[in-house]
Order: sequence, then structure tokens, then C-alpha cells
Amino acid sequence: EIVMTQSPATLSVSPGERATLSCRASQSVSSKLAWYQHKPGQAPRLVIYGASTRATGIPARFSGSGSGTEFTLTISSLQSEDFAVYYCQQSNAWPWAFGQGTKVEIK
Amino acid sequence: QVQLQQSGPGLVKPSQTLSLTCAISGDSVSRNDTAWNWFRESPSRGLEWLGWTYSGSKYYNDHVRSVKSRITINPDTSKNQFSLQLNSVTPDDTAIYYCAAARGGTFASWGQGTLVTVSS
Repeated sequence: EIVMTQSPATLSVSPGERATLSCRASQSVSSKLAWYQHKPGQAPRLVIYGASTRATGIPARFSGSGSGTEFTLTISSLQSEDFAVYYCQQSNAWPWAFGQGTKVEIK
Repeated sequence: QVQLQQSGPGLVKPSQTLSLTCAISGDSVSRNDTAWNWFRESPSRGLEWLGWTYSGSKYYNDHVRSVKSRITINPDTSKNQFSLQLNSVTPDDTAIYYCAAARGGTFASWGQGTLVTVSS
């Protein structure tokens, strides 16, 4: 089974700054990688799929990159509504697997 | 655009069965390229993927050991919905439960979430 590892566990960032989140797969997942934003008490929201394609309605400040085993989600200028937990998820091999999440908090 | 509407009780007594339903609009539970999923979220465990029903088959996530052998996910083609049943609940099953649709391995549509509290 593929194991997804996210780092860091918590990222403290000031509004307006850049946030860079990492996700590593234990073996190649090609570009079958998605990112989700999850705020407490709200449904998770798809942010990025196919490693780099923004989902419908996602602002351009969100970007995804990487392929194979190393992936990055970048939020270019953090807004107040971006503070949340972000999960990566691979769908290249069964069973699909999620990372443990990175919490982006206000510094 | 797929829309998912959850329903079910917010309070369940210990040892009883938790039952939730997810009604689908804009898609079909019978569609053979979409997996219909259940998740839950709790402060202690974060977001857990419980399993899915897909084209007549079912998958339950073995990594969520606390629900193993207690969980059932069923499609209801007559009502275009799917359900979650969790037997013999304990306070540890208290969580927000979400349904979600996955196509191509990506969870693009989610229900609104249901807070289920297990308490006498």
C-alpha cells in the first residue's frame, strides 16, 4: 500500500505570506494527486486534482506541482479564509490513501 | 454538478445503530464510474475515510480499525441515495459524518456533514 506523508504537521504563516505544503508518496503515484482544504465543521473542499489543476472556483493563489513521489501545494498570499487543514490524497493505486494533513494556522 | 444531501439522527444511544442517508441529485447511485463514500471527522482522529459503494461492490477501509465489522454502506437505486450503518456504537463514534462522491479517484462533491453524538 502507498503511504502518503505530509510535512510539516503545522505551518504558522502570517496573512499575505506564502505557504508551501509538502506531500510525499512511498512510491510513484504519477500525477494522480489531489489536495483538499478542510475547515472545522465544514465539508472538505477539493482544491487541486491531477497534481496541478485547480478545481472549480479555487482562486489562482493556489497552485500545485510535482509528480511521482514529491508534491507541493503553494498558497501564494494567504488570506484569512485559507487557514485550514490541507490533505493530500493519491488515486494512482488501490487503496487510495490520504496524508495525515497539514494545519495552516495564523502566525 | 453533483449535490449530496445528508439526513439522519444527530443523537444515538450507546450499543444502538447509527444510520445516515445521502441523497444524490445530478447523478445516479448506479453510475459505474462514481464511487459513493462515507467519511467522518473527530478531534481525536481527524478525517477518516470509512468506505464506499461502487458499481455494486463495496469497500471498507481496514485502516479504520475501530469500525471494522460494524459498518455497512448500501446503495438504494429506487431512491437514488446511499446509506451508512454503524452497529454497536460507543461514545468513540461521536463525530461529524460526511458523504462524498468520487470520480477518477478524486472526491469532488461532499455532503454538508452530520454531527452524530453517541450518548445515553
